[in-house]
Amino acid sequence: DAKTTQPNSMESNEEEPVHLPCNHSTISGTDYIHWYRQLPSQGPEYVIHGLTSNVNNRMASLAIAEDRKSSTLILHRATLRDAAVYYCILRDANNAGNMLTFGGGTRLMVKP
Amino acid sequence: DSGVTQTPKHLITATGQRVTLRCSPRSGDLSVYWYQQSLDQGLQFLIQYYNGEERAKGNILERFSAQQFPDLHSELNLSSLELGDSALYFCASSDGRSGANVLTFGAGSRLTVL
Repeated sequence: DAKTTQPNSMESNEEEPVHLPCNHSTISGTDYIHWYRQLPSQGPEYVIHGLTSNVNNRMASLAIAEDRKSSTLILHRATLRDAAVYYCILRDANNAGNMLTFGGGTRLMVKP
Repeated sequence: DSGVTQTPKHLITATGQRVTLRCSPRSGDLSVYWYQQSLDQGLQFLIQYYNGEERAKGNILERFSAQQFPDLHSELNLSSLELGDSALYFCASSDGRSGANVLTFGAGSRLTVL
């Protein structure tokens, strides 16, 4: 799977929007962009994924750049419970069923 | 509850011993993945099974082995344990077929080797 680059950490205030960036300049046409998060002492949790168009679900929104070389995970109103490590991962649709390769992710800290 | 069940939640044992970690995948999922997360390391992929067959292998030590049974549950066997094997071990499952292939993780088994 192609590589992604994320900031090591970010800070946000509670109830404010958070934009978590991810660069993936070597993305291929069949790569899905996945986001997972890991809360303290828990297993990773799926957040959202997309291919080309922006996506919304109950947890977050995913904004994908037109050239697909970067994306942004948007938490509309951060809560203390959103403090976690967020992982941006590319998945090749041609290798459906392959494992996820986790990088370092972005540690999000939410201040009350 | 994610639907992926891991047992035991916590395990304390001594160096040189052998332990077995168990994972029941989400209903309908055919793929099982094992990951290791040490204190100072990220999530490291160990091994994947699909419908009973080994599909992919990561940085899994020779002292470790796994299998997936006909009822699709999986076991990770860790032998000749060393202090450095202390870690969280996560199991995940997926249907293994769809293009997006979202993984669902269990809560993990925390292994402490003394």
